Amino acid sequence: DGGITQSPKYLFRKEGQNVTLSCEQNLNHDAMYWYRQDPGQGLRLIYYSQIVNDFQKGDIAEGYSVSREKKESFPLTVTSAQKNPTAFYLCASSIDLSAGKETQYFGPGTRLLVL
Amino acid sequence: SQQGEEDPQALSIQEGENATMNCSYKTSINNLQWYRQNSGRGLVHLILIRSNEREKHSGRLRVTLDTSKKSSSLLITASRAADTASYFCAPSYAGNMLTFGGGTRLMVKP
Repeated sequence: DGGITQSPKYLFRKEGQNVTLSCEQNLNHDAMYWYRQDPGQGLRLIYYSQIVNDFQKGDIAEGYSVSREKKESFPLTVTSAQKNPTAFYLCASSIDLSAGKETQYFGPGTRLLVL
Repeated sequence: SQQGEEDPQALSIQEGENATMNCSYKTSINNLQWYRQNSGRGLVHLILIRSNEREKHSGRLRVTLDTSKKSSSLLITASRAADTASYFCAPSYAGNMLTFGGGTRLMVKP
């Protein structure tokens, strides 16, 4: 069963805590993306990676960090510096960065809530 | 912002009716895509229309593009309750990453 998986489905963060959201794909895609979605709003790009060991900031990278040690995995850490982390986080992938401007494949999302 | 803007923000229709959603964007595009999102889930790519195309069909979906007006529309014909979802347009500009509008929330009542 090919696709993108995200875990956990729900995540609770305490004040001052760093939390990590998992994103795994078995589509053999080079490019991966993290988006944040707030209620009633569009998706905003946090970080993207076009290849292993390389990643670039998106529009709202402050308070977030990523790594890309394996092609299949692109975890997102929401740090304590992110003061308003409550949102729905979506991971996506595409064959490469160029193809990502035509079709992206999305995971099911992780909802992050602050305690 | 380079993202598209969908109109209306919300749409409620009866099953069997057609649903039309519009998207406006700001500058020249390479292509424009439409995605669907069921509540609490990820987005699913529906259809892509290139800047040199005017109309495209996929099953019950019909997409039009008017580059002179910088707008696109998505028509879902003979809607079903299962079409209830949010629909997003994503204009693709040269040199930029894909951007997504705020979406149209469609409710199809049985």
